[in-house]
Amino acid sequence: EDQVTQSPEALRLQEGESSSLNCSYTVSGLRGLFWYRQDPGKGPEFLFTLYSAGEEKEKERLKATLTKKESFLHITAPKPEDSATYLCAVRGYSSASKIIFGSGTRLSIRP
Amino acid sequence: NAGVTQTPKFRVLKTGQSMTLLCAQDMNHEYMYWYRQDPGMGLRLIHYSVGEGTTAKGEVPDGYNVSRLKKQNFLLGLESAAPSQTSVYFCASSSDRSSYEQYFGPGTRLTVT
Repeated sequence: EDQVTQSPEALRLQEGESSSLNCSYTVSGLRGLFWYRQDPGKGPEFLFTLYSAGEEKEKERLKATLTKKESFLHITAPKPEDSATYLCAVRGYSSASKIIFGSGTRLSIRP
Repeated sequence: NAGVTQTPKFRVLKTGQSMTLLCAQDMNHEYMYWYRQDPGMGLRLIHYSVGEGTTAKGEVPDGYNVSRLKKQNFLLGLESAAPSQTSVYFCASSSDRSSYEQYFGPGTRLTVT
C-alpha cells in the first residue's frame, strides 16, 4: 500500500534561517511525487512534480529534491510569507489516477 | 479563467439532513476528485471520476455519493448527514495528459450538529 510520511509536523524558524522538510514515501513504482503549499482557509496550491531519483526543481526560495525513498523541500533564507502548511503526495503505478497525501508540515517564519 | 470553484463555502446541517456540494472547473480536465481534510489526518480521497459519466470510490466513500453528468461539474452528495462528516471538503481536477498534478478549489467547510 502506498504511504507518505512527513516530518516534522511543525517547524518554527526565524526569518532568514534555512531548513528542510522531509517526505518519506513507500510506493509500488513512482509515477510522480508532488509538493503543495496550503495557506489557512484555502485549498492546496501546486508547487512541484518530481519523477525520478536525483531530480531537483526550484522556485524562488524553495528547492525540492528526490531520492528513491524520500524527498526534501529545502527553504533558503525564508520570509514570513513562506509560512504555510506544505503537503507532499505521491502517485504510484498501482494507484491509477489517485494520489496519496501526507499529513503535512506546518511551517511558521518569525520576522 | 476561474480554475476550480466550489459552492457553498460554508454550511451547517443537522444530523439526518441531506445536501449537495457542487464543484466546477473550466480547465477542460478529465479527472476530478473529492477530498475531505480533518486535523492531523491530511487529505483523504472520498470519490473520484476519470471522465464524464464515470465515478469510482476512494479511501473513505461511505456516506457519500457522487455524480459527473457533465465534464466540468462534479457533485458530492450527503444523503443523511452525521456529525462524523463535519470536515472541510476540497474538490480538485487534473489533466489526463500530464503528470496528474491536481488543482484544488477553495474548499467547503461543513458542520453537522
